[in-house]
Amino acid sequence: DQQVKQNSPSLSVQEGRISILNCDYTNSMFDYFLWYKKYPAEGPTFLISISSIKDKNEDGRFTVFLNKSAKHLSLHIVPSQPGDSAVYFCAATSGAGSYQLTFGKGTKLSVIP
Amino acid sequence: NAGVTQTPKFRILKIGQSMTLQCTQDMNHNYMYWYRQDPGMGLKLIYYSVGAGITDKGEVPNGYNVSRSTTEDFPLRLELAAPSQTSVYFCASSPTGVYDGYTFGSGTRLTVV
Repeated sequence: DQQVKQNSPSLSVQEGRISILNCDYTNSMFDYFLWYKKYPAEGPTFLISISSIKDKNEDGRFTVFLNKSAKHLSLHIVPSQPGDSAVYFCAATSGAGSYQLTFGKGTKLSVIP
Repeated sequence: NAGVTQTPKFRILKIGQSMTLQCTQDMNHNYMYWYRQDPGMGLKLIYYSVGAGITDKGEVPNGYNVSRSTTEDFPLRLELAAPSQTSVYFCASSPTGVYDGYTFGSGTRLTVV
């Protein structure tokens, strides 16, 4: 039973445009969410996170939006660059007392020059 | 600063063989984790450790064992390898827990034939 769902396996975007990656979750106990980026033959790298007490968090070109009522979060990349081409994983945790991140299956982003 | 180092990068095992996947971090992180990623799937937690001498099971611990005798090292032992253990294994560490962005190693690709 997937608790974190990334329903788009892949996404192609033109360089300079906005990339929007989506993530849905089913577990209402999740209170902290993270995005990781993964290049081929490398481990994932942490990108950005958001707590459930916020609805937006920005870091440079990356912004994560959280809609708790819809159990939905999204990662916006503006402007998209070819180096952003990677697999993006959404992850969630119920925080206090939990030592586990639950990951989605990932979305492969291709930024076309 | 090496971060998290995993060895080997690739390995082919025969059914029933055993092996140890090595993981070392040089960031003095208390928390360490082992995840596996099956093709087209998200990462799943195998085992984790909150400090030297303390380990606990994650979501998919069957067929694996771990030990944590030092802060730096967190080896993963596979006993009696099975084809279902064919996967990419990632070791990760973090300073204080799941709210931190993990630092991942580059992974070990294991094939059991």
